[in-house]
Amino acid sequence: QVQLVESGGGVVQPGGSLTLSCAASGFIFSSYGMHWVRQAPGKGLEWVAFIRYDGSKKFYADSVKGRFTISRDDSKNTLYVQMNSLRAEDTAVYYCAKDSSGVWGQGTLVTVSS
Amino acid sequence: QSALTQPASVSGSPGQSITISCAGTSSDVGTYNYVSWYQQHPGKAPKLMIYDVTNRPSGVSNRFSGSKSGNTASLTISGLQAEDEADYYCSSYTSSSTLYVVFGGGTKLTVL
Repeated sequence: QVQLVESGGGVVQPGGSLTLSCAASGFIFSSYGMHWVRQAPGKGLEWVAFIRYDGSKKFYADSVKGRFTISRDDSKNTLYVQMNSLRAEDTAVYYCAKDSSGVWGQGTLVTVSS
Repeated sequence: QSALTQPASVSGSPGQSITISCAGTSSDVGTYNYVSWYQQHPGKAPKLMIYDVTNRPSGVSNRFSGSKSGNTASLTISGLQAEDEADYYCSSYTSSSTLYVVFGGGTKLTVL
């Protein structure tokens, strides 16, 4: 079945870096654009980034532009987001999602704290 | 960056119908027929309930329906049930130069 599984979350100090992964299965990963969406504790959903199916275009929310980098490895059916210069306000559950579908992962928690 | 505007909360009694609005602009809801609605129960990932304004994914109850008029989209839930109590979010693609997708702030539905 179609599945997305995020990993890589954890506790990181302000100013630190972290890379999240999203392993995809059950569909032709290379044919779909992919999103990262996050949700701060007790808050709403916030779109973070998108990468086209062929990796040719990437879009970012202003809140992460210049600090986060979305990428994909189609040979591994895996989506990534590299997060640098992390701030307390980046603390959230991070979800990956398949474009134009209802397929989301279960999320991975990132906590930025000293 | 402006989110789509949703009421913070709505409520209804079992069996009743409720409507949640999602106000956008001509750069998002008003231009694109790519409005989606998500249901989220506490501690769970969002679940797609409506896509492309009016379409229901397989397995979603026909008690859920979507519509759009101008820059505002709406989600209607008829025959309210206790399990419908959750947070609901709308989203839309946008032609903003700085965004690709925009979400609403979320609406807490309480079934009385």
